[in-house]
Amino acid sequence: DAKTTQPNSMESNEEEPVHLPCNHSTISGTDYIHWYRQLPSQSPEYVIHGLTSNVNNRMASLAIAEDRKSSTLILHRATLRDAAVYYCIHQMGMRFGAGTRLTVKP
Amino acid sequence: DAMVIQNPRYQVTQFGKPVTLSCSQTLNHNVMYWYQQKSSQAPKLLFHYYDKDFNNEADTPDNFQSRRPNTSFCFLDIRSPGLGDAAMYLCATSRSLVGLAGGPGELFFGEGSRLTVL
Repeated sequence: DAKTTQPNSMESNEEEPVHLPCNHSTISGTDYIHWYRQLPSQSPEYVIHGLTSNVNNRMASLAIAEDRKSSTLILHRATLRDAAVYYCIHQMGMRFGAGTRLTVKP
Repeated sequence: DAMVIQNPRYQVTQFGKPVTLSCSQTLNHNVMYWYQQKSSQAPKLLFHYYDKDFNNEADTPDNFQSRRPNTSFCFLDIRSPGLGDAAMYLCATSRSLVGLAGGPGELFFGEGSRLTVL
């Protein structure tokens, strides 16, 4: 069963970069990594996804390790609005793990 | 404009009284998912449909059923709700599962249906 491991919680200061790690050692070669976040009292929302190469979009960057067993979501300048639970999941099954609760301090 | 619409947003039912939650989508996506999310927990996948193919998670109780009469609609039926079934139920869609360039695309979530069981 495809599983991901993330730290339970992380803290950041506003306007500083945040690196959110995820281990996915059982990932298969064709399995994409997706990141979602869930703001308080809202549904999860898509952040970014990738297969092998690093990916950038307007919300974040995704750095994928060369062996694909881990990845890091990078928020370049955290804002208070980025406080949320962040989930990395395998595309195979789209099952959510416990996620990382990010707190952003002003 | 909302692309994944869930109804009702709030549902109150009595212990043991069947309830149906609905989900509709305007994205023409092949895959529709149902998740259960209890307070302070991650969403838990109950099942998904790939087109008309139903895929149940191994630990989803028999009390939970689903129907997908057409591409646009999917229903979650809870036959005999217990107090432990009180939760937010999230519907999501994706373009596909695997195999396409770019993968299945991202999940699009509805706003959820909050179920209270009295």
